[in-house]
Amino acid sequence: NAGVTQTPKFRILKIGQSMTLQCTQDMNHNYMYWYRQDPGMGLKLIYYSVGAGITDKGEVPNGYNVSRSTTEDFPLRLELAAPSQTSVYFCASSSGHPANNQPQHFGDGTRLSIL
Amino acid sequence: DQQVKQNSPSLSVQEGRISILNCDYTNSMFDYFLWYKKYPAEGPTFLISISSIKDKNEDGRFTVFLNKSAKHLSLHIVPSQPGDSAVYFCAASATGGTSYGKLTFGQGTILTVHP
Repeated sequence: NAGVTQTPKFRILKIGQSMTLQCTQDMNHNYMYWYRQDPGMGLKLIYYSVGAGITDKGEVPNGYNVSRSTTEDFPLRLELAAPSQTSVYFCASSSGHPANNQPQHFGDGTRLSIL
Repeated sequence: DQQVKQNSPSLSVQEGRISILNCDYTNSMFDYFLWYKKYPAEGPTFLISISSIKDKNEDGRFTVFLNKSAKHLSLHIVPSQPGDSAVYFCAASATGGTSYGKLTFGQGTILTVHP
């Protein structure tokens, strides 16, 4: 019962460094999403994917890149880390639209600090 | 532009009493609404949802009410239990067009249920 798995759980980066946040799901879901949550704020959508090879920008995509080469994996790339990217990052997946009784399932998050 | 708002950052309730969490939205294209519950160091988990064609949906101790004319929804928890203490997020989605199940989240309300 792995569901959505995110790695790492915690990471500290220096300004200008790059890293990839990993997300994998074992539910064969087509739809995958990346969110960030800043303190006291709701989750904001960074990027999403509706299937392998298809990705699109969400509300706050600047400074991030994604790829979707397989159904299972949806990594999020930070190329030049900035302090404004300090946040908790959540990956989610779903088999379809929530209106079809297919809500998003979330991973436990990656807490990222950029100093 | 906060399209989904939870104006109460926190709520404190005695065990056994009713908890009422509120959510307002501005985008008239939203027609499907969800509540997620989040414990510390975990990802959000789906709780209950409602379509705009309904004004009420019930699942055990949890009931969601939707007032479309006021663009307002609320989550009622009766009776409240200490294990309900968590952050509750309201989320909204538009089923039409290319929404692809994208969710817009409110800021969250911290519910504390005292024994």
